[in-house]
Amino acid sequence: DIVMTQSPLSLPVTPGEPASISCRSSQNLLHSNGYYYLSWYLQRPGQSPQLLIYLVSTRASGVPDRFSGSGSGTDFTLKISRVEAEDVGIYYCMQGLQTPITFGPGTKVDIK
Amino acid sequence: EVQLVQSGAEVKKPGESLKISCKGSGNSFSNYWIAWVRQMPGKGLEWMGIIYPSDSRTRYSPSFQGQVTFSADKSISTAYLQWSSLKASDTALYYCATTHYYASSGHLDSFALWGQGTMVIVSS
Repeated sequence: DIVMTQSPLSLPVTPGEPASISCRSSQNLLHSNGYYYLSWYLQRPGQSPQLLIYLVSTRASGVPDRFSGSGSGTDFTLKISRVEAEDVGIYYCMQGLQTPITFGPGTKVDIK
Repeated sequence: EVQLVQSGAEVKKPGESLKISCKGSGNSFSNYWIAWVRQMPGKGLEWMGIIYPSDSRTRYSPSFQGQVTFSADKSISTAYLQWSSLKASDTALYYCATTHYYASSGHLDSFALWGQGTMVIVSS
């Protein structure tokens, strides 16, 4: 199985400041079709997860452009350019390259 | 655009059976695979497996194979997750989500749309 790790696991943030979350996979997530099957999700308190980013860097419909994704191989990053209060919650990365699909442990983002 | 609506919370006793549902609305439901994801209390997300409601093809995570059963009724755009004998350790929030599965290479697209979740509590 592909193991996903994230750091930090807890991230206190200041509104208006940038934030960054790292995700690492135990195997290269590059598919033979040239795409990396790495996606990011935000689970706000008491809500279902929502898709933020797919294929490393493509924002899902309706996701603000302050969210961006980057990376390759086994190292990936989610960045928030200017954190807003509504961004609090738990962020998960997920690999879709092979089954079983696996998620990272989650990074809890809250306001300082 | 498809939306997923899940059945309501359940409280069951150990050993009881249960079937929860995930109903899709919208014309394109038949084009999607449905993933099931478990979230135990205070914990992260775990992929249980997928089902293609159009023909009921399934793929289970090894961790859940034999523990649960996926089924579907394409005529009513609904996917189901069922247990034949619940355990206290099945207590969790269960989500369904849309995805696409590429069997030839074994990879999945991201989980674009999620249901609201069904809470299952198993307690004597």
